Amino acid sequence: QQQVKQSPQSLIVQKGGISIINCAYENTAFDYFPWYQQFPGKGPALLIAIRPDVSEKKEGRFTISFNKSAKQFSLHIMDSQPGDSATYFCGVYNQGGKLIFGQGTELSVKP
Amino acid sequence: DAGVIQSPRHEVTEMGQEVTLRCKPISGHDYLFWYRQTMMRGLELLIYFNNNVPIDDSGMPEDRFSAKMPNASFSTLKIQPSEPRDSAVYFCASSLDPLEETQYFGPGTRLLVL
Repeated sequence: QQQVKQSPQSLIVQKGGISIINCAYENTAFDYFPWYQQFPGKGPALLIAIRPDVSEKKEGRFTISFNKSAKQFSLHIMDSQPGDSATYFCGVYNQGGKLIFGQGTELSVKP
Repeated sequence: DAGVIQSPRHEVTEMGQEVTLRCKPISGHDYLFWYRQTMMRGLELLIYFNNNVPIDDSGMPEDRFSAKMPNASFSTLKIQPSEPRDSAVYFCASSLDPLEETQYFGPGTRLLVL
C-alpha cells in the first residue's frame, strides 16, 4: 500500500509570508507529482505539478521543489495571501497507477 | 464546458435507505473516478472507469457500494443499504489520461446518513 505522508496538518501564515507544505512517499510508478488545492465546499483542483526531470517548477507565487533521492517534494507559496487559504493535497501515483493523495494541509493566511 | 456535474449536492437520508449519487463527466474524457472524502480518512479513491469499463474497484468499502457507467456521459454510485458511517463528501472526477492530464473534480455530494 502506497504511503504518502504530508505535513503539516495545518498551517497559519501571516499575509506576505511563505507557506511550505511537505510530502514524502515510499514508491511511485509514474514520475508525475501534483498538488491540488481545495476551497471549502468545492472539489479539489490542480494547482501545480512537476515531473522530476527538473528539481523545481515555478508558476507565479507557487513553486514545487523535488528531491528524488529523498522521495520528497514540497509546495512553497510565496507572498501568501488570504485568498490562498484552502486545503492542499499532494498526490503520488502508486504501482497500480492510482493517484494516492496525502492527508491534506489546511492553510490559513491571516491578514 | 460546464465541468463535472454531480447531483444531488446534498443528501440526507436515514440508515437503511438506498442512496444514488450521479455524475456527468466532462465531454470527451475517457476516465471517470469516484472519491470519498472524510476527516478521518482524507480523500480516497473508490473506483475508476476507463471508456465506461470499471478498471479498479479495490477502494470500494464493501458490497453495499456499487458503481455503474452505462454510457460515456453518466455514472452512478449507489449505496444500499446506507449506514451512518457512509456520511462523507463524495466526489466524481474525470480526465483525458490520469497520468498525463489533470483530474477535474466535480463539486461533490455531501451525504449525511442519520
